[in-house]
Formats: sequence, structure tokens, C-alpha cells
Amino acid sequence: NAGVMQNPRHLVRRRGQEARLRCSPMKGHSHVYWYRQLPEEGLKFMVYLQKENIIDESGMPKERFSAEFPKEGPSILRIQQVVRGDSAAYFCASSPRGANEETQYFGPGTRLLVL
Amino acid sequence: DQQVKQNSPSLSVQEGRISILNCDYTNSMFDYFLWYKKYPAEGPTFLISISSIKDKNEDGRFTVFLNKSAKHLSLHIVPSQPGDSAVYFCAAKGAGGTSYGKLTFGQGTILTVHP
Repeated sequence: NAGVMQNPRHLVRRRGQEARLRCSPMKGHSHVYWYRQLPEEGLKFMVYLQKENIIDESGMPKERFSAEFPKEGPSILRIQQVVRGDSAAYFCASSPRGANEETQYFGPGTRLLVL
Repeated sequence: DQQVKQNSPSLSVQEGRISILNCDYTNSMFDYFLWYKKYPAEGPTFLISISSIKDKNEDGRFTVFLNKSAKHLSLHIVPSQPGDSAVYFCAAKGAGGTSYGKLTFGQGTILTVHP
């Protein structure tokens, strides 16, 4: 049973470009969460999605960031017009049903570097 | 507002001895707690969890203790092994309100186990 997959593992963008990060949840999981880890900090929640629905986006910056989890295919975190402050590790996690007493399993992360 | 705190940035122990990692929280809505281990350039790996209806959960060398009245939990690793050297994150979530679904992480504790 494959774990959570993320690609690319490393992404380099110049200021002003767009970054697209992909996440395929574990088989049988329909709930996806995105977290960001800035240098020397813990992980911070960004957005929680179920298939075709955004459940909670309270951690997403108001501008330039968007996320989706379509009926078919991976979840996508999109960052438009990237700035140097967007450089971070972005982790995706998944869980089966979104129940409270349920573990979230993490992918290996995408390390975004903005030049 | 740091709702989950790990006040020790680092901990160093001798192989074979006990490692105790601590975590404090402030949000009374949190009722499910998890510990993750993270190596550099990898995603967090789930270790052990505990529900607020329990005060102890054990899995092999890992035991988590929860003191609800003090809003404090700890992870005990016995005996510690050099392969346990990693960053350990405490995380919490709740069944309702703004704590639903998403994990709130502490800043992490770097554990070093010396041979």
C-alpha cells in the first residue's frame, strides 16, 4: 500500500512565477491536508480538503494561494506570483474519513525555493 | 498564539537510557494528541497517539502520558537507540470549533541519542 506521494520533491522558481505542488493521498483516503514548514519552525496548517470540497482554508494566505482536490487526480496546491518568503517545505497529509481520532499520514514534502 | 508548545529545543541522552520529551497545550478543545518523528528532508512519520479519555498509551518502546488537568503530555522512549535521533513533534486536534480536522504542531524537539 503506497504511502502519500508528493511531487515534485524539489521545486525552484523565480520571483513572480507560479508553483504547482501535487499530492496523491494514500489509497482509500479521501481527506487531504496541506501544511507548510518555514525554516526553523514547526509545521503550520494551511488547508483541509475532501474530494471536490474545501473544508477549512483558515491557514491559507488570502492572496496568491489556492488548493483543490478534484474528483479524479491529485490534490494541487497552487502559488501564484511566488515571493522569496514562500520558500519552505510543503507537506501533504491524508486520512481515511476525516474522523477526529484518526491519524494523518504525511508525504515526503516538496521543498520550494524561490530565487 | 502558540497553542502547542515544546519548550525544549533539544535533548541529548545516552543509548539505553530513557528519553522524555514534553509538550504543553493551551486549547481546551484539543482532545486527540499525536507524536511524529521527522528526519531531515523527509516527511513526519507517525509514532503514537492518545485520546483525551486515556492518560497513557504504550506501543513497544514508546509511551505517551497525558495529564489533562495540567494540559501536558510527554513521550517516553525506553531504551533509547541512536536511530531514534531525529526531530520529534507533538501535535493536537479537536472534535469541534476551530480545532476540527487540522493538526496544530509544536516547534519540535531535536533528540540526539549518543552511542
